[in-house]
This record gives sequence, C-alpha cells and structure tokens, in this order.
Amino acid sequence: AQKVTQAQTEISVVEKEDVTLDCVYETRDTTYYLFWYKQPPSGELVFLIRRNSFDEQNEISGRYSWNFQKSTSSFNFTITASQVVDSAVYFCALSDPSRGGADGLTFGKGTHLIIQP
Amino acid sequence: KAGVTQTPRYLIKTRGQQVTLSCSPISGHRSVSWYQQTPGQGLQFLFEYFSETQRNKGNFPGRFSGRQFSNSRSEMNVSTLELGDSALYLCASSLETLSANTEAFFGQGTRLTVV
Repeated sequence: AQKVTQAQTEISVVEKEDVTLDCVYETRDTTYYLFWYKQPPSGELVFLIRRNSFDEQNEISGRYSWNFQKSTSSFNFTITASQVVDSAVYFCALSDPSRGGADGLTFGKGTHLIIQP
Repeated sequence: KAGVTQTPRYLIKTRGQQVTLSCSPISGHRSVSWYQQTPGQGLQFLFEYFSETQRNKGNFPGRFSGRQFSNSRSEMNVSTLELGDSALYLCASSLETLSANTEAFFGQGTRLTVV
C-alpha cells in the first residue's frame, strides 16, 4: 500500500526565514505522481505542484522550490524568505496510476506552518 | 475561469438524517472525486466519478454514495448520519481520471456537523 509521511506536525518561524517541509513517500510502483497542496484557514486545498516519478529535476517557482529525490523517496518543499501569508497547512500527496486511481490521492497528515511577523 | 464550487458551505444535521452535498467542477473537467477530512484521520478518499460512472471507491461504508450528471456536476449523499461523519468534505475536479497524469483542483469544501 502507498503511504505519505509528513513528520513535522507544526513548524513556527519568524517572517523572512527559510523553511523546509519534509515529505517521505512509500509506493511499490515505478510510475507515480507527487503533489503539494496548501490549505489556508478557508479550507480550500490550493494546488502548488505536481511531479512525476521520472522527472527528478528540482523546480523553483518564485519563493517556492521543491527537491525530489527518488533515492530517499522524498519530495521536500522549501519556502524562501517566508511571509505571514504563507501560514497554512501544507499537504504532500501521492497518486499511483498503476491501480487505475483506486486509492485516489493519498495524503500525508499535513504540516501546519506558522509564520510569525 | 470559475473554480470548483461546493454547496452548501456549512451544514448542521441530526443523527439518523441524510444529507446531500453538491460539487460543480471546473468547466471541461470530467472527473470529480470526493474526500473526507477529519482531525483524526486526515484526508481520506471517498470515491471518484468520471463520465457519470463511479470509477473508484475508498474504504467507506455503503451509507456514503454519490453520482455524477451529464454536465459533470456531482452529488454526494450520506444516509443515516452518525456523529463520526462530522467532517470537511472536499470535492476535487480534474480533466482526466486520477489514473492519468492530471492535476486535481479542490473546492472550499462543505463543513458538515452532525449533532
């Protein structure tokens, strides 16, 4: 069975600090997709990124960057120069298409990020 | 382009009642999937509908059901409500099925409270 672990339940940093959110996944398949979502207090899950298992290139989007390492089954997310608006719960998720989407998206428990002014 | 719309945003129901939640996906998206979010269990997959057919179902009792209409709008129904059904129910819309390389976009959810 597939599994996503976000070991950090809550992280609190001061504004402008860099912060990394960890994500470790388990799957038996060679083809899979990884996602990060942001959930602000309003409740909506905001899509941030999708990465397929064959693309290990790191990605940068503004202050956000993602480090995908298949060797350690990790897909970590870094926010550079954090801002108060980054405060939210962040979820890492895994999709395994080999089972026809039978499990939907498998989510980690989430990391609550608090950015203090 | 309008996002995923879920109605209602909040619901309070009594144990034993039934409830219907609605989700309108992004225009052109054919897949709608549903998730239950609780503090204890986190986000759990309920089911996915694609082209009016249920493609996949998570590990939930038969009290949870759904359907999808020809315009891709989806409804989720929970019968004989239990206190443990209190949760945020999130709907996700995607162009293709979850088995494909596709992005899923979520609505704001319906917060259901069972008393």
